[in-house]
This record gives sequence, structure tokens and C-alpha cells, in this order.
Amino acid sequence: AQTVTQSQPEMSVQEAETVTLSCTYDTSESDYYLFWYKQPPSRQMILVIRQEAYKQQNATENRFSVNFQKAAKSFSLKISDSQLGDAAMYFCAYDTSGSRLTFGEGTQLTVNP
Amino acid sequence: NAGVMQNPRHLVRRRGQEARLRCSPMKGHSHVYWYRQLPEEGLKFMVYLQKENIIDESGMPKERFSAEFPKEGPSILRIQQVVRGDSAAYFCASSPRILAGGNQETQYFGPGTRLLVL
Repeated sequence: AQTVTQSQPEMSVQEAETVTLSCTYDTSESDYYLFWYKQPPSRQMILVIRQEAYKQQNATENRFSVNFQKAAKSFSLKISDSQLGDAAMYFCAYDTSGSRLTFGEGTQLTVNP
Repeated sequence: NAGVMQNPRHLVRRRGQEARLRCSPMKGHSHVYWYRQLPEEGLKFMVYLQKENIIDESGMPKERFSAEFPKEGPSILRIQQVVRGDSAAYFCASSPRILAGGNQETQYFGPGTRLLVL
């Protein structure tokens, strides 16, 4: 069974600084997809970024980028120039078949002004 | 293009009652997924449906829970004879299709239904 592990229950960052959230996963598949979702206090799940495992290039979306290390099964999220609105719970997720997402337990990010 | 719609947003039920949660996928999306989030936990997969078909229900409790996605209308997650342990946020997600080779389209989430069982 696939598992996703987020080893940092809580992280904090100063406004305008950079923070990296960690995620590791376990799978025997070679083709799969990785995601970071953000859940602000409203509890809405918002897609932040997506990475296809067959792509070597790391995905980027504006201030958000990932460091995808396939051999190490690591998928960290870097947030640059952190803003107060980035404060949220961040979930790493994995999918291989298109039938389900497997989520980590989440990292609560606090942004300090 | 409206996002994934879920209603009600909040639902209060007494033990033994039935809870019915509705999900309307994004326009053009034919795949629906239900997830449950217990307090202080991540989301856990429950069921995956296409129109009139249950594709994967391996995450559904064996009893009291059922789901459907009829040809017309929203997807319904039904919980019969609710117990306090059913209190959670229930999220619906939709995606447009599965691409050739099983490649997955991104799942987009609704705002969730918060179920409280008294």
C-alpha cells in the first residue's frame, strides 16, 4: 500500500522569507502523480502544485516550487516570499491510478508578520 | 465555470438518524470522489464513482455507508443510523476524465460538508 509521510506537524516562517515543507512517500509504482494541497481556515482544499513522476523537471507555480527526488521518494514544497495568506494546513498527496488520492497527515504553516 | 458544489455545508444529526450529503461536480467532470477528514487528521479516500457506476469503494465502511452518482443529478453520500464517530468533514472532488494509459487528471475539491452527530 502507498503511504505518504509529512514529518513536520508544524512549521513557521517570517513574512517574505522562504520555507520548505517535507514529504516522503512509499510506492512500488513507476508512474504516479504527486500533489500539494492547501487547506486554509475555511477548510477548502486548494490545489497548489502538481508533479508527474515521469517528468524530471521540478514543477513551479509562481512562488511555489517543488524539489522532486524520485529515487529518494521525496517531494518537498518550497514557498518563496511567504505571505500572510499562505498560512494554512498543507497536505502532500499521491496518486497512481486516477482512482484515489493518498494524503499525508499535513503540516500546519504559520506566517509571522 | 462553477467549482465543485457541496450541500449542505453544515449538517447536524442525532444518533440513529440518516445523513445525506450531496455533491455536484464541475461542469464536464464525470468522475467523483468522496473523502472523509476526521478532526486533526488528513483526508482519507472513501469511494470513487463515475456516472451510474461505483468504480472503487474500498475506503467505505462496510455498513451504513453508501454512495451513488446517478445519470442525472448530484452524487449522494448516504450515512444511515449515524453515530458520534461519523462526525467529520466530508469532501467531494471531481475530475474530467482518466487519460489514455491511466494518467490522472487533477481532482478539484468542493468546500466540504461538516457533519456533527449529537
